Amino acid sequence: SQQGEEDPQALSIQEGENATMNCSYKTSINNLQWYRQNSGRGLVHLILIRSNEREKHSGRLRVTLDTSKKSSSLLITASRAADTASYFCATVPNSGGYQKVTFGTGTKLQVIP
Amino acid sequence: DAGVIQSPRHEVTEMGQEVTLRCKPISGHDYLFWYRQTMMRGLELLIYFNNNVPIDDSGMPEDRFSAKMPNASFSTLKIQPSEPRDSAVYFCASSWGREQPQHFGDGTRLSIL
Repeated sequence: SQQGEEDPQALSIQEGENATMNCSYKTSINNLQWYRQNSGRGLVHLILIRSNEREKHSGRLRVTLDTSKKSSSLLITASRAADTASYFCATVPNSGGYQKVTFGTGTKLQVIP
Repeated sequence: DAGVIQSPRHEVTEMGQEVTLRCKPISGHDYLFWYRQTMMRGLELLIYFNNNVPIDDSGMPEDRFSAKMPNASFSTLKIQPSEPRDSAVYFCASSWGREQPQHFGDGTRLSIL
């Protein structure tokens, strides 16, 4: 199956609530990146976490990485209607050379005002 | 700073016609990626370049697809002849280094009738 699979596929929450999305992957990684995609637009990079890091924060975003479980989570706190978008994880392999970056299937988040 | 620029934003053409999608990466970036996004298959990497040299084209679906990067500031993705199943949103992205975040253009929405 595909490297980098997000869970859940879709999530609907009320404004002000927290949203948590998960990403699982299969191979050893150099880093893992989270992206957001608004409807009709390209992906926008949000945050990068390296394999030797366990947690990283950026504003209302918190990312965790568990390399033993090959999983990562993205937490958006105090969600806003503007956070409505699809969120993707991308894994950068650790094998060096030209191993390609792989994007997951995405989580579609809807924040209801 | 200008981001990744793709043209055209929308393209509607008839089956059998040649389609050329264009991309201008961010100045100084040494990696360029072409992706295709559909509801059924998600985001697929078609081909990527490093310093204008194609590195991995294993994602190119058929010989009808070809990509070039004649210089560091321009790339094209060509489909000839086009088929209805090629209808999708095509994204170009660039990065400074394989492991670094990718910067996406806003895509070309391609419809083959």
